[in-house]
Amino acid sequence: DIVMTQSPDSLTVSLGERATINCKSSQSVLHSSDNKNYLAWYQQKPGQPPKLLIYWASTRQSGFPDRFRASGSGTDFTLTITSLQAEDVAVYYCQQYFSSPLTFGGGTRVEIK
Amino acid sequence: QLQLQESGPGLVKPSETLSLTCTVSGGSISSTDYYWGWIRQSPGKGPEWIGSFSYSGNTPYNPSLKSRVTISVDTSKNQFSLTLSSMTAADTAVYYCVRQGDFWSGNYPDSWGQGSLVTVSS
Repeated sequence: DIVMTQSPDSLTVSLGERATINCKSSQSVLHSSDNKNYLAWYQQKPGQPPKLLIYWASTRQSGFPDRFRASGSGTDFTLTITSLQAEDVAVYYCQQYFSSPLTFGGGTRVEIK
Repeated sequence: QLQLQESGPGLVKPSETLSLTCTVSGGSISSTDYYWGWIRQSPGKGPEWIGSFSYSGNTPYNPSLKSRVTISVDTSKNQFSLTLSSMTAADTAVYYCVRQGDFWSGNYPDSWGQGSLVTVSS
């Protein structure tokens, strides 16, 4: 199985400041045939299911504002919230879909300072 | 708009079998463009993928659960079901049904049900 490791476990950021979350996979999720990174990010608010935020490592799902930026390739990925808003308080998960079984990171909790 | 809704018992006794059903509206589980699956999330933990199926016949399961899991389909009702046998306290979790794309279009879960809390206790 591909192990997904996120850091930090939690993050406290002031409103309007930048929040950065890291995700590392135990093996590359870059597929050589299409040069795509098979990595997604999810946002989960309390009492709700995870919501798809990013796919193909950097493509933002419709409905999410452009302050959510994601990058990375191979084994190292980053999700950045460029200007944290109150509604961004949530747990964020990375997930690989390069190989079965699909696996998720342990999550990063983002809170307001 | 696609909607998925889980249904089933909230409480299961140790050693018993869990049965959950997902009812899909706004889309057909007979589509070969998608996989339909189950994911669970224990309190305070990251999600764990259980398994999925495609109407084309592929049914991948998580090897860690494969010996206890069955996913079945009822196309007449546009539903699919999860059976998980020999339940223990470690299986206590919120169980979600999801839709996934196929491998080349992206096998990530893009739609989730609201979840069904299952507690294993005598």
